[in-house]
Amino acid sequence: GAGVSQSPSNKVTEKGKDVELRCDPISGHTALYWYRQSLGQGLEFLIYFQGNSAPDKSGLPSDRFSAERTGGSVSTLTIQRTQQEDSAVYLCASSLDPGIYGYTFGSGTRLTVV
Amino acid sequence: GIQVEQSPPDLILQEGANSTLRCNFSDSVNNLQWFHQNPWGQLINLFYIPSGTKQNGRLSATTVATERYSLLYISSSQTTDSGVYFCAARDFMEYGNKLVFGAGTILRVKS
Repeated sequence: GAGVSQSPSNKVTEKGKDVELRCDPISGHTALYWYRQSLGQGLEFLIYFQGNSAPDKSGLPSDRFSAERTGGSVSTLTIQRTQQEDSAVYLCASSLDPGIYGYTFGSGTRLTVV
Repeated sequence: GIQVEQSPPDLILQEGANSTLRCNFSDSVNNLQWFHQNPWGQLINLFYIPSGTKQNGRLSATTVATERYSLLYISSSQTTDSGVYFCAARDFMEYGNKLVFGAGTILRVKS
């Protein structure tokens, strides 16, 4: 597609429930990133996918968080047993080559855990 | 890992004024970007500028990689320029890994 697409744009969930957030990167972009932005804060790296390489999961805050990327395209970020501190905007970005080109971010999913 | 520092933390401008935002980074980088986050939360890529100077309309940016800083210039500011400006860099030694974001500069342009 023309841009990075994320869904849903907003998600309200009850504490303890699982949620899945989806990211459709720009077609052909091999690098895909998930970031999190809490209210009034900067961006926090979560996970990075590059082609068929093992993902860099070093930013995932706990084992309740996981992500997969199927077929080198669409990615799903899953948060199990959500907690109120998980409330944030979850942003996805993709790049054709992060060493040469910039990153393009999606509009994000605003997650609210009540 | 690298550290990215932005200044000033916030800035209030009268419409029509010019401003310069600064980004310092602690180590060699191979990716330096400026983003504008509008009041609706959308992150807009302004410049990919690991070195040199680029201009786009009223905005321009310069990165001096050897001195580890980048500047974003906003001329003839407009109320629509309001929002948060982030600088982000990738550690040269960490291929493919995370962009490190600065804390941002909150810009408010008053009419």
